[in-house]
Amino acid sequence: NAGVTQTPKFRVLKTGQSMTLLCAQDMNHEYMYWYRQDPGMGLRLIHYSVGEGTTAKGEVPDGYNVSRLKKQNFLLGLESAAPSQTSVYFCASTEPANTEAFFGQGTRLTVV
Amino acid sequence: GEDVEQSLFLSVREGDSSVINCTYTDSSSTYLYWYKQEPGAGLQLLTYIFSNMDMKQDQRLTVLLNKKDKHLSLRIADTQTGDSAIYFCAERASGYSTLTFGKGTMLLVSP
Repeated sequence: NAGVTQTPKFRVLKTGQSMTLLCAQDMNHEYMYWYRQDPGMGLRLIHYSVGEGTTAKGEVPDGYNVSRLKKQNFLLGLESAAPSQTSVYFCASTEPANTEAFFGQGTRLTVV
Repeated sequence: GEDVEQSLFLSVREGDSSVINCTYTDSSSTYLYWYKQEPGAGLQLLTYIFSNMDMKQDQRLTVLLNKKDKHLSLRIADTQTGDSAIYFCAERASGYSTLTFGKGTMLLVSP
């Protein structure tokens, strides 16, 4: 019962470095999402995907890119990390008919 | 645009009832949710309510929805110290099921 798995769980980056966060789901869900959580800000939507090969911008997309080459995976990329991207990142997935979105356990990213 | 507002902090004594309030702006929301987040942990879905309902009860939890005023509340009966956490209200858009979250209400339960 893996559900939604995020890799890595923790990471420290230097300003200007790049990295990719991986989200994998084993529920065959069509929709996948990346959110970021900052203290006092709740969760905000970065990008989302409504199917393999599709992506769309959310509320705070700047500085991030995403790809959905396989239905089960949704990748979030930071090309040149900035301290403002220090955050906890959550991935989620669901189906259009579902009432519930399933969340991963989060990736805590620190950019120094 | 969509916006979800919550009060930031609530303190109660163990055994009391807690009421966490939320207001939202998107009248086309299909579902409204309450999530719980303990320190350093992910999000746990507590309960949800469909937009055409006005109340839902699930054990110690009661959700009230006033669609006219776009007001949602979560009542926790017999609050326990283990209920101390941050509670997020979220609305789901009718399009691609994206969620808009409030900033969270920190609930502190004292013995």
